Parts: sequence; structure tokens; C-alpha cells
Amino acid sequence: SQQGEEDPQALSIQEGENATMNCSYKTSINNLQWYRQNSGRGLVHLILIRSNEREKHSGRLRVTLDTSKKSSSLLITASRAADTASYFCATDPSPLQGAQKLVFGQGTRLTINP
Amino acid sequence: DGGITQSPKYLFRKEGQNVTLSCEQNLNHDAMYWYRQDPGQGLRLIYYSQIVNDFQKGDIAEGYSVSREKKESFPLTVTSAQKNPTAFYLCASSYRKAYPEKLFFGSGTQLSVL
Repeated sequence: SQQGEEDPQALSIQEGENATMNCSYKTSINNLQWYRQNSGRGLVHLILIRSNEREKHSGRLRVTLDTSKKSSSLLITASRAADTASYFCATDPSPLQGAQKLVFGQGTRLTINP
Repeated sequence: DGGITQSPKYLFRKEGQNVTLSCEQNLNHDAMYWYRQDPGQGLRLIYYSQIVNDFQKGDIAEGYSVSREKKESFPLTVTSAQKNPTAFYLCASSYRKAYPEKLFFGSGTQLSVL
């Protein structure tokens, strides 16, 4: 079942601009993670935010989580050509003691134009 | 180098044939996962295993089978019962004792039907 839905599906910006991607989900979660996928490759973990956290930073990445709205956003500041990739949110709706079964959204395809 | 190795990178299946995708990890991770990705889509969980000699069905297990005889290995067989096998298959692993877990992905296998 697909729980996370990213918005927009595709985003094209100029190098140096900021990129914002949004993720909405349906059920309560334990944590939400963001992953990046370069074309034809595996996913790479970017950042994890727990359900009791509201904001988290990692380098040029900023993630926010609003559990009341069941939504998260990923902000990439000062974008670079190397940031061109698809970005996926993944939610963990499992019971805390259960197996973690991440549910991935359909992704946002980000293109950074030089 | 530690990581997850998937092979082959490209695989072709003839009608009625079973094919096996390999996934090996040397990260000493307990849990391993198989995901299917269709073009422009997110990831869907096929099977997962939390421990050796145990595995559970994910959301789209029909037409697939797995085994987990060794901690390092989690091969996926796409059987002839899977009528639409063309997709990008991703294997992942995680360290369950470090909850919440982040997934480490292999570089994927592209399966196509001849």
C-alpha cells in the first residue's frame, strides 16, 4: 500500500535556488525518512525525523514534520547540479516492536539546471 | 568495502522461466528486504526477512519466492507465475537493533521479459 505521496511529481529549478518537496501520508507513523535515487541506481538514505520531532537539519537539507497535518517537507538549499535525482519519502507505520516495513511514496523528480 | 551487492545488473527472462536475483550484504545486518520499482513509481515491498531462516510476505509477494539460509544472503526468485515481471528490483538491509532503522540499498537489477 502506498502511504506517502510526494508533491510535486517533478520540479525543475536553476542551480543555486532552493528546492522544496512535500510528502503527505495517511496513518500515524513512528518516523519518516527521505531517500534520494539517482537514475538507474539504488536509494540513498538522507535524513530521518521521528514522530516527536518537528524539524531536523543535515548540511543543506532541512526536513520538517507536522503530524497534525500528516505531512513533511524536504528543503534543499543552494541547489547544485549533483542534486538532480528523485527524492522519496518513506513512512514507518509499524508498531514499535514490530518489523519495520517502510512504505515509500512515488517520489519527486528534481532537475537542477546549470 | 562494506555494502550490498546485487547481481546481475540486467537480467532477461523467457516466458515460463524462473529467474533468481542475487543479493549479498557484508554489513552484518539482521533484516533484508526486496522491493519492486516500476517506471516513475515508488517502491513496493515484495518480501522481507528479520532473521535467518525466517521471512514474511510484503504487499506484492504473489509470483515471487525467497530464502534466507545465511545472514548475508537473501536471493529472490521471480517465478513463471509472475505475469508482469518487468521492473527494477532493489534489495535493502538494515540493522534492527538500531531502531528506527535506515535502509541501505543495493544498486538494483533491471529485469526484462524477452
